[in-house]
Amino acid sequence: QKEVEQDPGPLSVPEGAIVSLNCTYSNSAFQYFMWYRQYSRKGPELLMYTYSSGNKEDGRFTAQVDKSSKYISLFIRDSQPSDSATYLCAMTVTGFQKLVFGTGTRLLVSP
Amino acid sequence: DTGVSQNPRHKITKRGQNVTFRCDPISEHNRLYWYRQTLGQGPEFLTYFQNEAQLEKSRLLSDRFSAERPKGSFSTLEIQRTEQGDSAMYLCASSILWGQGATGELFFGEGSRLTVL
Repeated sequence: QKEVEQDPGPLSVPEGAIVSLNCTYSNSAFQYFMWYRQYSRKGPELLMYTYSSGNKEDGRFTAQVDKSSKYISLFIRDSQPSDSATYLCAMTVTGFQKLVFGTGTRLLVSP
Repeated sequence: DTGVSQNPRHKITKRGQNVTFRCDPISEHNRLYWYRQTLGQGPEFLTYFQNEAQLEKSRLLSDRFSAERPKGSFSTLEIQRTEQGDSAMYLCASSILWGQGATGELFFGEGSRLTVL
């Protein structure tokens, strides 16, 4: 079993929809949780990161961490076609080194 | 462009040949990471450097793989006697050490894609 599980999708939604992306994990030592966005043939870019449990909001993006359930989520409001990409969750015990990534969920937002 | 630069972007080689990838990090970043990403999977950690010191290597990094970062600047990743299972995207990332007034965020390059025939 992988340390981090993520549904690969694809997830297809119409423009303007609220998108929910999720990951579960097994290692209770993880304390830092990140979401990366990766466009085709590009490297991942950091969207958001949170430490421990709680919510964090940045514009149309909200990240949630529930350590008791070992479950993290990324919500995208008012989704746009430009949001079409693969979204990777990642987590680590200390700081940013040695990230453990999920498989990524491919998101398609249609106009 | 002051981002992380990787070369070559795509390398096609025959099984058994050696290949080398180069990564030029963002100039003030003292940490450099190598990850490998296969189709439909997330990146997997291979190794990382703080300045010129290689601090950790994954068990994924077999004896055929070697990484260097001479003088704490650019880094090279060499794969000897390539196998078809080595076909993947090799991603380099760099960061400033967490706590030095920075978040420690990793900035990734666009990757070097290896195809082993």
